[in-house]
Amino acid sequence: EVQVVESGGGLVQPGGSLRLSCAASGFTFSGYWMTWVRQAPGKGLEWVANIKQDGSEQYYLDSVKGRFTISRDNAKNSLYLQMNSLRAEDTAMYYCARERGYRDYWGQGTLVTVSS
Amino acid sequence: EIVLTQSPGTLSLSPGERATLSCRASQSVSSSYLAWYQQKLGQSPRLLIYGASSRATGIPDRFSGSGSGTDFTLTISRLEPEDFAVYYCQQYGSSPWTFGQGTKVEIK
Repeated sequence: EVQVVESGGGLVQPGGSLRLSCAASGFTFSGYWMTWVRQAPGKGLEWVANIKQDGSEQYYLDSVKGRFTISRDNAKNSLYLQMNSLRAEDTAMYYCARERGYRDYWGQGTLVTVSS
Repeated sequence: EIVLTQSPGTLSLSPGERATLSCRASQSVSSSYLAWYQQKLGQSPRLLIYGASSRATGIPDRFSGSGSGTDFTLTISRLEPEDFAVYYCQQYGSSPWTFGQGTKVEIK
């Protein structure tokens, strides 16, 4: 059974940092792009970043470029999102998903709240 | 960037009725790279349709997708109680891959 499980969310002050993790199982992790999608409270879905199978290519939403870094460890079947210089507008549920252009498996999400 | 506009914003229907949801793109979506997702309250999104008309694994056949170019439709032939949710379209034909703003299907 394919599973992705996010962790690492929490409350952080503006300007702070947080590192999200996503543990994947049930499929050959190294064979797929992976992605982070976020959803602000009461709002729609917004793609944040994605990464190629071997980590050699990463793409970002313009508003997070230079602040967020997506990475992966294929030996650990894990995906990460390092978030620096956090802003109030980054407050959202962050979902990890398997990326095929469409996103076919999603985790339950981890909540990031940026507030003083 | 391709902007996806979903309509209506809210659809009020009764169980057993047919639901028709629209997703219109600001530019043609290449190769019908259009997906639909369902999101129930408090849950993560679930993939329903990809490639405009292919059902994802385990999705009941009352869900169907159609369309090409700039106009796409998700149809739920007979609404079941568990189908009341928010539905999003997403295009993956042109980077950045974008979502529509969602259509809420609510019980009338």
